[in-house]
Amino acid sequence: EPEVTQTPSHQVTQMGQEVILRCVPISNHLYFYWYRQILGQKVEFLVSFYNNEISEKSEIFDDQFSVERPDGSNFTLKIRSTKLEDSAMYFCASSVEDFRAFFGQGTRLTVV
Amino acid sequence: QKEVEQDPGPLSVPEGAIVSLNCTYSNSAFQYFMWYRQYSRKGPELLMYTYSSGNKEDGRFTAQVDKSSKYISLFIRDSQPSDSATYLCAMSVGGGGNQFYFGTGTSLTVIP
Repeated sequence: EPEVTQTPSHQVTQMGQEVILRCVPISNHLYFYWYRQILGQKVEFLVSFYNNEISEKSEIFDDQFSVERPDGSNFTLKIRSTKLEDSAMYFCASSVEDFRAFFGQGTRLTVV
Repeated sequence: QKEVEQDPGPLSVPEGAIVSLNCTYSNSAFQYFMWYRQYSRKGPELLMYTYSSGNKEDGRFTAQVDKSSKYISLFIRDSQPSDSATYLCAMSVGGGGNQFYFGTGTSLTVIP
């Protein structure tokens, strides 16, 4: 069964460093998403991406965040200068035209 | 404003019981409703999805949406220990590319 793949599974970084989280969405999907989940809190929307453009973003997704689809298969989330409060599970998801989004297993980001 | 409210539990039931999980919401524009299952430190797994009001059944799972009351439910019949997980409701206004608003999740334990 096709699945969304995320790497790495766990990333530890020092405050102020840049991190890139990587995702391989399901191959025939058109919409791509990043969500995050701080421990014990709700899953929160960050950004959606379609046709090589951001289609929607939340207040969390400020200038420190960027997304890119550098080739036909990868979808990345970059955090330019990490803060302690960026520590969370980051989930990539993808969907076809409808609303059924399939999530990856997540990258646990720890900022120290 | 809390868009989606969900009782976090924890909920503990004996094997074979019928489980009822619920969410309420405030935004009458929500049209798409999903239930996800999440195991500890894993990504959300799509269980059920419905558009607008009504019921949908898939095996032991039944999803109900009552838009007039802004209330959605997930019923699990003949619950199994393998159903032990956190159940997240999610909803969105539109289809592809639109953000999902998640509940906090209800932690369920099915006791053998």
